[in-house]
Amino acid sequence: SAVISQKPSRDICQRGTSLTIQCQVDSQVTMMFWYRQQPGQSLTLIATANQGSEATYESGFVIDKFPISRPNLTFSTLTVSNMSPEDSSIYLCSVVGDFADTQYFGPGTRLTVL
Amino acid sequence: ELKVEQNPLFLSMQEGKNYTIYCNYSTTSDRLYWYRQDPGKSLESLFVLLSNGAVKQEGRLMASLDTKARLSTLHITAAVHDLSATYFCAVEGPGSGYALNFGKGTSLLVTP
Repeated sequence: SAVISQKPSRDICQRGTSLTIQCQVDSQVTMMFWYRQQPGQSLTLIATANQGSEATYESGFVIDKFPISRPNLTFSTLTVSNMSPEDSSIYLCSVVGDFADTQYFGPGTRLTVL
Repeated sequence: ELKVEQNPLFLSMQEGKNYTIYCNYSTTSDRLYWYRQDPGKSLESLFVLLSNGAVKQEGRLMASLDTKARLSTLHITAAVHDLSATYFCAVEGPGSGYALNFGKGTSLLVTP
């Protein structure tokens, strides 16, 4: 199994600012994803974080708003830019296990935008 | 577009009773996952189902997959309070590269 940590665990931010969320995995993984869970809702995929190349974004999500970095096989960052209250959500990273046995999720970053 | 529908969305059941949560999906899928989420917590992987007729059991939970009907069920046997949580099914679309489409979740409350 993979052990995933995220920083920060939570934050309260002002409208118009940006926040960078870090995701660290205890082993090298090929596939890493970023999801958003709005209050009381299900999870929605934001993008696939590709190592060494630009992230692949889902419909409705754009790089200018959610830039992603993946410098190596154990680390990724997601930035939420120019935040508005609608960005208040839990942001989770996930990775595919060694043998693609399952997907593991990080503990999440709870973001509140005032 | 792959759509995943769960029902019921809310379920209140008494301890000791049995119940089933249903997950329908709209297109063929490579894998189907069941996750549990406790309030304020992340997702815990329960089951991964790969093939038609697959059945997996862990404690009081049993998951099955019918790929022809595009249906998965999560059966709860003799519910206990500790099973109270939100349960999500998630489907990996064909060629999606492991990206998951989630159902809306079933919020389960088990009462004495």
